Amino acid sequence: QVQLVQSGAEVKKPGSSVKVSCRTSGGSFGHNLITWVRRAPGQGLEWMGGIVPRSGRANYAQKFQGRVTITADESTRTVQMELTALTSDDAAVYFCARGSSGDSTNYYFDYWGQGTLVSVSS
Amino acid sequence: SYVLTQPPSVSVAPGRTARITCGGDDIGNKIVHWYQQQPGQAPVLVIHYDSDRPSGIPERFSGSNSGNTATLTISRVEAGDEAEYFCQVWDRNSGQIVFGTGTEVIVL
Repeated sequence: QVQLVQSGAEVKKPGSSVKVSCRTSGGSFGHNLITWVRRAPGQGLEWMGGIVPRSGRANYAQKFQGRVTITADESTRTVQMELTALTSDDAAVYFCARGSSGDSTNYYFDYWGQGTLVSVSS
Repeated sequence: SYVLTQPPSVSVAPGRTARITCGGDDIGNKIVHWYQQQPGQAPVLVIHYDSDRPSGIPERFSGSNSGNTATLTISRVEAGDEAEYFCQVWDRNSGQIVFGTGTEVIVL
């Protein structure tokens, strides 16, 4: 049984950074893509980036390049997402999800974390 | 960057059929996945690889993809199908994952 459990809600000030973690259990950790998707109020789903832990290489959405860092720790089966220089536009629910693919390209997301609410307020 | 356009909302009576479109340039040559998101919950995969249903998803959910439009069809709509639905592709040109704008299905 694959499960993804995320860290708790965060309240941050503008200009600060936030780290959200995603601990996985079940299934293969190293070879599956773990991705981050957010949903801001009144907006749709937005892909931020992802990582295949065994490779250690992350791929980021162009919108977040330079502001987001995704890392993986195989020993704890945990993936962490850090977003810097927060503004009110970053207030959202952040989800991690496991990507599956038959060809390492056309990923779909079959298991999701419960979501982490990040609030940004001065 | 690649853009996927969905109608903001679709209204349907219980027992009827809802069709949710996802428009994109030559999307028929891409692989499309669909998600259902209920308020306050994580998204759920309902269709992958254009038309395949994951285990546990009712046969009422089906998908197709051709030309510039992919379609998610929900047959015999139930009250529990009321949710927001998103299409998703991987854009080979940019190496980016793209979600559609989302469609709210309203069951009358």
